[in-house]
Amino acid sequence: GAVVSQHPSWVICKSGTSVKIECRSLDFQATTMFWYRQFPKQSLMLMATSNEGSKATYEQGVEKDKFLINHASLTLSTLTVTSAHPEDSSFYICSADPGLAGGRLAEQFFGPGTRLTVL
Amino acid sequence: GENVEQHPSTLSVQEGDSAVIKCTYSDSASNYFPWYKQELGKGPQLIIDIRSNVGEKKDQRIAVTLNKTAKHFSLHITETQPEDSAVYFCAVLTGGGNKLTFGTGTQLKVEL
Repeated sequence: GAVVSQHPSWVICKSGTSVKIECRSLDFQATTMFWYRQFPKQSLMLMATSNEGSKATYEQGVEKDKFLINHASLTLSTLTVTSAHPEDSSFYICSADPGLAGGRLAEQFFGPGTRLTVL
Repeated sequence: GENVEQHPSTLSVQEGDSAVIKCTYSDSASNYFPWYKQELGKGPQLIIDIRSNVGEKKDQRIAVTLNKTAKHFSLHITETQPEDSAVYFCAVLTGGGNKLTFGTGTQLKVEL
C-alpha cells in the first residue's frame, strides 16, 4: 500500500516550452501533496504544498507563475513548469500525505521522481 | 524556520560494521522525525520514523534514537550490507505544521 507514481519519469524539452508532471496516489487519497526539487548531490527542497480544491502554497523564492500546481482530485496533483529554461533542469519529486485517514499524522509517501532536462 | 543539520556527509564502512548518522534540529516544537533512504535516480523511501513521545525505535537492523532535550536524533544501521549503500536523509516536521525540512544527506557506502 501507499504507492505514489509520477509521470513521466524523465523528460527532455526545448527552452521556452512548458512541461507537465503528474503525481498520483494509487491506493489512497491524499489530503495534501507536496512538490520538491532536488539538484544533483543536494537535499530535497520543498517548492509548494497543495491541498485538493484549493490554491497551492508556495515556499519563499518559488515563482508561482512559473511552477503551476493543480490539485484537481484527492489522488492527482500536477506541476507545470512554464517557459522552461536550462536552470529549471532538476529532479522533481512529489509526495502525498493521506492525513488522518492513513492512521498516522504527517507521514509522506514519495513518488519516484521526474528528471527534467531543458536544452 | 526550522534548521536541520546532518552529519557526516559521507560515511564509508566495511560490510558487517555499524553505521550511525546524526541530525540536529532547532525547533523544540518539532514532533515527527523520519529517515529516508534514496537510491540513485529514485525518490526517497521511508525506512523508519520516530515521534516525540518515544526515545527509541527499532526495526530489525535499523534503529532511531531521539533526544528531545538536546534536539538531536540518530539513525543506527547494524550489520551493514552492500545494499544499504545509498543516500540517507533525516527530516523534521515543523511544529504545528505538515511540512518536512530535510537534512543535507549522508552518502553511505558499504564496502565488501
